[in-house]
Amino acid sequence: NAGVTQTPKFQVLKTGQSMTLQCAQDMNHNSMYWYRQDPGMGLRLIYYSASEGTTDKGEVPNGYNVSRLNKREFSLRLESAAPSQTSVYFCASSEEQIRTDTQYFGPGTRLTVL
Amino acid sequence: AQSVTQLGSHVSVSEGALVLLRCNYSSSVPPYLFWYVQYPNQGLQLLLKYTTGATLVKGINGFEAEFKKSETSFHLTKPSAHMSDAAEYFCAVSEGTGGFKTIFGAGTRLFVKA
Repeated sequence: NAGVTQTPKFQVLKTGQSMTLQCAQDMNHNSMYWYRQDPGMGLRLIYYSASEGTTDKGEVPNGYNVSRLNKREFSLRLESAAPSQTSVYFCASSEEQIRTDTQYFGPGTRLTVL
Repeated sequence: AQSVTQLGSHVSVSEGALVLLRCNYSSSVPPYLFWYVQYPNQGLQLLLKYTTGATLVKGINGFEAEFKKSETSFHLTKPSAHMSDAAEYFCAVSEGTGGFKTIFGAGTRLFVKA
């Protein structure tokens, strides 16, 4: 099992450009998440999908959109990138969206917006 | 709303010394608590979690944490540090009923000196 995979690993964008971050999991998990990690701030939830066909906003959703393409895949789109979106992005999944569930994380995408 | 505070953004110990990473939380309902570890250029992985039952929780790689309700703490310890323990450690609490969101602390970077 590959677990949670993310592409690309690195990306540099210019302000105003768009891009999509891809995430896939092979653990048959129902719930998937997108986080951003900034120095001194831990991880902040951008969007999550409790199950296939549903998505909800997290703590910092502005400037992002998501698509739960199927049970395996959950993509994050930046329509018009801004320097404030420079960060490391992590995708995660869990079996169910319950309080006790462990989340499994991908290796991350390092995004720089110039 | 629930929150997590990790005391000390950086902790340095000598190899073989005790590791103590501090975490305090605030919660109006019984918390579920997690410690995750992030090795350089990798995603987070679960070290241990407290849901219910025994308040002393044992995790991987010799780490353990004790849930102390009276002190609203969930400190992480390891009796003897190893060079391979150098990483960033995140305490987290899950909140809400029905659906949930995980709140992460800002992280503590552990340095291990030879």
